[in-house]
Order: sequence, then structure tokens, then C-alpha cells
Amino acid sequence: AIQLTQSPPSLSASVGDRVTITCRASQDISSALAWYRQKPGKTPKLLIYGASSLEGGVPSRFSGSGSGTDFTLTISSLQPEDFATYYCQQFNSYPWTFGQGTKVEIK
Amino acid sequence: QMQLVESGGGVVQPGGSLRLSCAASGFTFSKYGMHWVRQAPGKGLEWVAFIRYDGSHKYYADSVEGRFTISRDNSKNTQYLQMSSLRAEDTAVYYCAKDRSYYDFLEALDCWGQGTLVTVSS
Repeated sequence: AIQLTQSPPSLSASVGDRVTITCRASQDISSALAWYRQKPGKTPKLLIYGASSLEGGVPSRFSGSGSGTDFTLTISSLQPEDFATYYCQQFNSYPWTFGQGTKVEIK
Repeated sequence: QMQLVESGGGVVQPGGSLRLSCAASGFTFSKYGMHWVRQAPGKGLEWVAFIRYDGSHKYYADSVEGRFTISRDNSKNTQYLQMSSLRAEDTAVYYCAKDRSYYDFLEALDCWGQGTLVTVSS
């Protein structure tokens, strides 16, 4: 199974900060990667699919990049509702694994 | 708008069985592959199972293979997860989720249910 490793596991940031989260795959997954945000006590929400395509209705402060094994999710200006846990998921091959998550906390 | 509503969670003893249901609305259910994803208390997301749009192919995580069965009834816009031989480590919130692309292309989960809690305990 393809393993996804997110870094860092957690980070502290302030409103307005630029935040970058990394997801590394154990093998080449082309651009078959999605990113989700999960607020505390809520269901996950799709942000990015195909590594860099913004899901409809998602604010433009979110962007994704990368291909092959290395991917990043960038939040250009952190907002209060962005304090949450972020997950990547690969769709290159079964089983469709998730990363372990990155928790973004208030500094 | 798209909506998924899970039901069927509860408390079950180790070794027991439970069937989860997920009712879909707001989209053409028969065109989309569907997934189950779970989240143990305080833990991350774990993909559990997938069923092709027409029910012809099913895939499972190793952790549930042989114990869980995914199915769907396109006439009722509903998918199911039959869980048997349940273990304490199956305790989690179970989410039903829709794949973003229809037919055979999988690319992301764009609609999630609210989740249903399954607790395996004696």
C-alpha cells in the first residue's frame, strides 16, 4: 500500500500567516492527490483534488501543488476558520490511503 | 444540494454484527462510486471500503477484509456497510462519502455524511 507522510504533524500559526503543509508519497502517484480540512467535531471538507485543482466554493487562499511523490498545501493568509486538521489522500491506487493529518493550532 | 445521511451505528459486543446505511440525495446516485471512511476517537481518517457505481466491484482495507461487506441499492439511493466479527479496534465514527467523479474515475471525496458512531465494547 502507498504510504502518505504529512509534515509537520502540527504547527502553531497566527491569523494572516502563510502556512504550508507537505505530503510525501512512498511511491509515484502522479497528480492523484486530494486535500481535506476537518474542523473540530465536524466532517472533512474537500479543498483540493488532482493535486492542484480548487474545489468549487473553496476560498482562493487555498492552493495545492506537486506531482509524483511530493505535494504541498498552502494557505496564503490563515483565517480563524482554518484552525483545523488537514489530511491528504491518494487516489493513484487501491487502497486509497490518507496521510496521518496535520493539526494547525492558534499561536 | 448533495446530502448523505448515515444511520445504524450503536454499541455492539465484540464478535457482534451491525449494518450501517447511507441514504443519498441531491445527485444521481447510480453514477458515482461510494466509499466508507472511519475515524477512531481522537485519531485520523482511515479509508475502509469502496463500491463501484454499479456495484460490480468492491474494495476493502486490509483491516476489514473478510469481515465487512459493502453494498448498494441504486433503486433506493442507498449504500450499506455490513460489519461482522467486530473488534474493539473497529470503534470509530463511520462516514459515508461520495467520489467526486462519476463512473470509473476516482479522484476525491466531495460529499461526506455526518457520520455514525460504532462502539464495540462488552
